[in-house]
Amino acid sequence: AQSVTQPDIHITVSEGASLELRCNYSYGATPYLFWYVQSPGQGLQLLLKYFSGDTLVQGIKGFEAEFKRSQSSFNLRKPSVHWSDAAEYFCAPSDYKLSFGAGTTVTVRA
Amino acid sequence: KAGVTQTPRYLIKTRGQQVTLSCSPISGHRSVSWYQQTPGQGLQFLFEYFSETQRNKGNFPGRFSGRQFSNSRSEMNVSTLELGDSALYLCASSYRDLNTEAFFGQGTRLTVV
Repeated sequence: AQSVTQPDIHITVSEGASLELRCNYSYGATPYLFWYVQSPGQGLQLLLKYFSGDTLVQGIKGFEAEFKRSQSSFNLRKPSVHWSDAAEYFCAPSDYKLSFGAGTTVTVRA
Repeated sequence: KAGVTQTPRYLIKTRGQQVTLSCSPISGHRSVSWYQQTPGQGLQFLFEYFSETQRNKGNFPGRFSGRQFSNSRSEMNVSTLELGDSALYLCASSYRDLNTEAFFGQGTRLTVV
């Protein structure tokens, strides 16, 4: 069965520090891969996507993600976190149907 | 260009009633999909419509239904509401299918009392 796992429910990071959010998926073939961010009470905003090609993809707001086929992972990173990055982040593989991980809540401390 | 518009933003209904939620996709997008978000179950796919046809569906009871009109606008209906249907319902539009970028609306917060 297809599944997606975000192992970290909650991460706290200091402003200016680096951030890495993990995502692992289990699909028969490599799905299309997305990361979304959600601020409280809001819809989802697309941060970046991976379809094929370069394994390091750049997104908006300074985020990047690395696709590793051998590990079935698509981890999201940001070198220096800003207070406005506090939100919930969702990894979402798609095989013509978007599936979402449980999400990782990021808290940024001053 | 305008984003995905969902109406209403907030709704309070009584158990046993039915409700209809509306979604206007981005102009030119033909795929509209619906999701339910709850604290316990997270984000779950309800169904996807393309060119007025349901193309994919998730594992929800038949009380949840939808339709799409010729202008790609979509409605979602929930009949015989239960307390557990209280959730944020999100709509997303895509140009072609869910393997392309999906753009989400702000959602409709449904509370069933």
